[in-house]
Amino acid sequence: QSALTQPASVSGSPGQSITISCTGTSSDIGGYNYVSWYQQYPGEAPKLMIFDVRQRPSGISNRFSGSKSGNTASLTISGLQAEDEADYYCSSYTSSNTVVFGGGTKLTVL
Amino acid sequence: EVQVLESGGDLVQPGGSLRLSCAASGFTFSIYDMTWVRQAPGKGLEWVSTITTSGDTTSYADSVKGRFTMSRDNSKNTLLLHMNNLRVEDTALYYCARVHLAALRNDYFDYWGQGTLVTVSS
Repeated sequence: QSALTQPASVSGSPGQSITISCTGTSSDIGGYNYVSWYQQYPGEAPKLMIFDVRQRPSGISNRFSGSKSGNTASLTISGLQAEDEADYYCSSYTSSNTVVFGGGTKLTVL
Repeated sequence: EVQVLESGGDLVQPGGSLRLSCAASGFTFSIYDMTWVRQAPGKGLEWVSTITTSGDTTSYADSVKGRFTMSRDNSKNTLLLHMNNLRVEDTALYYCARVHLAALRNDYFDYWGQGTLVTVSS
């Protein structure tokens, strides 16, 4: 199972919106609405931000939103804040009954 | 407070074995599926394995299938990962995580430990 494809890095200024893409295949992202996103600060454990493509866990800001089109999922962060600077990972359920992660995207807030 | 605490990470030679443990507290361990995810130094996340509530069903990444065995002891709120025939590429921080109760495909994880480091090197 190959990793999902994410851009290595994205950047944005405070207050702006950014979008991180996550591309897979019809055997994972394209075949199911089971895409999740995680935020990870250096030296810390990942934190669940989005599940089932667009659902937010309790306590997650509505500045974070998810979507999907075909084999590509996206995470959008609006009203960018300095505290959003972190690594972001997408993941998806697969037709092999496994989970696959993306390679991760480093978000820099300028 | 929900907590999962991994232990057992160590330096081991290629071909060696190791057993990781994960102690859970603050929630009813027996009703949650659990998972292991690893992260090689400076790299991304990689799903390793998942086990269902009773322990009778497990799934593994192709990279560890046949070498790793996941099990649990609900009486002790403990998760185990037995790793055999370790390879240099198994070097990683191993996270224990709880599968969200509503995850229909056991595909997303709501509480993570801080990880235990496994280093495979001669």
